[in-house]
Amino acid sequence: GQSLEQPSEVTAVEGAIVQINCTYQTSGFYGLSWYQQHDGGAPTFLSYNGLDGLEETGRFSSFLSRSDSYGYLLLQELQMKDSASYFCAVKADTGTASKLTFGTGTRLQVTL
Amino acid sequence: EAQVTQNPRYLITVTGKKLTVTCSQNMNHEYMSWYRQDPGLGLRQIYYSMNVEVTDKGDVPEGYKVSRKEKRNFPLILESPSPNQTSLYFCASSLTGDGWTQYFGPGTRLLVL
Repeated sequence: GQSLEQPSEVTAVEGAIVQINCTYQTSGFYGLSWYQQHDGGAPTFLSYNGLDGLEETGRFSSFLSRSDSYGYLLLQELQMKDSASYFCAVKADTGTASKLTFGTGTRLQVTL
Repeated sequence: EAQVTQNPRYLITVTGKKLTVTCSQNMNHEYMSWYRQDPGLGLRQIYYSMNVEVTDKGDVPEGYKVSRKEKRNFPLILESPSPNQTSLYFCASSLTGDGWTQYFGPGTRLLVL
């Protein structure tokens, strides 16, 4: 099966940079993705890493190291609206099918 | 507007009374999936479908059924709901069969008494 670990909570100040780590154990690893979920809302896709390295999308970047089974989401120039839960997810191929497994989420609190 | 819709949004029912939560997407996506979200457990995949008539179990399929007779619809069926199925349910779809970039519906909050 698959398992993922990420911190349960992170607090950071507005304007700062925060990194949310995710370590995983899985077989048939395909890649790592990140989703954001505001309280009361639905998850929304942020980024995907299929290969090692850094992917940048505006203020958000995501990194993957397949050899370390590790990735992170980097949020720069934090804004109050970034307060949300962030989930990493891994995709594993199980024969002819594929499924997505999510971590338990990291709650980010941005303060003034 | 491109979207995933779920109905109903809120549902209170009693143990053993069969129910169906509908999910529909208007983006012609191949991949659709159902998740449940519980405090401290994150999102757990129930079932997914890579295309019409192709469905497979996720991590927590027990007590649920799905069908994919049309590309746009992917209903979740609870034949005999139990209190441990009280949860927040999300349907999601993805353009390609690999299911990477998933678009989520607004969620269905279910309470089973």
